[in-house]
Amino acid sequence: DGGITQSPKYLFRKEGQNVTLSCEQNLNHDAMYWYRQDPGQGLRLIYYSQIVNDFQKGDIAEGYSVSREKKESFPLTVTSAQKNPTAFYLCASSVGQGGGNTEAFFGQGTRLTVV
Amino acid sequence: AQSVAQPEDQVNVAEGNPLTVKCTYSVSGNPYLFWYVQYPNRGLQFLLKYITGDNLVKGSYGFEAEFNKSQTSFHLKKPSALVSDSALYFCAVGLYNFNKFYFGSGTKLNVKP
Repeated sequence: DGGITQSPKYLFRKEGQNVTLSCEQNLNHDAMYWYRQDPGQGLRLIYYSQIVNDFQKGDIAEGYSVSREKKESFPLTVTSAQKNPTAFYLCASSVGQGGGNTEAFFGQGTRLTVV
Repeated sequence: AQSVAQPEDQVNVAEGNPLTVKCTYSVSGNPYLFWYVQYPNRGLQFLLKYITGDNLVKGSYGFEAEFNKSQTSFHLKKPSALVSDSALYFCAVGLYNFNKFYFGSGTKLNVKP
């Protein structure tokens, strides 16, 4: 099946700990995205990548880091510098050619909780 | 600045009645407009999009949306609501030369039997 897979589904982080969220896609999409979802605030863009080995900060990149070493993979690390990381994290991908005129495909999300 | 507004946090409708979920946008240039649906603790699913052409766009599950350039709106509609349509709906805009999407804050649709 073609799709986008996020893991784990639930993740618990201790104060001061870095954690990495996985995102893999087999859709052969060039563009990949990470969004954060908080209640009542919609989706906010953390990072995005239009091509392998390149990525750009979104609107709320502070306290997060990413890499794009392979076309299929776009992991997100939530660092200890992120002071309020508890949220639902969504990874998405799109064809990436021709601009933003193709729909994004989303993973099922990772719910991160600080304990 | 690019932005998308969904003015209603929640919409309540009775099953069998028509529904409308509102969306307005503000972008530079021609917009690409999308609607997505999200069920609890799940990712977003694509419903429909407007790129160019006919202002009335038909999508999945009987939904449709009308692009109105003069009012900068892209309202989602369905002639007859189902209880199973109850979910969170997001409007989004894409830019013509850039792979980046802006999302509205979401509207919770409640369809009562």
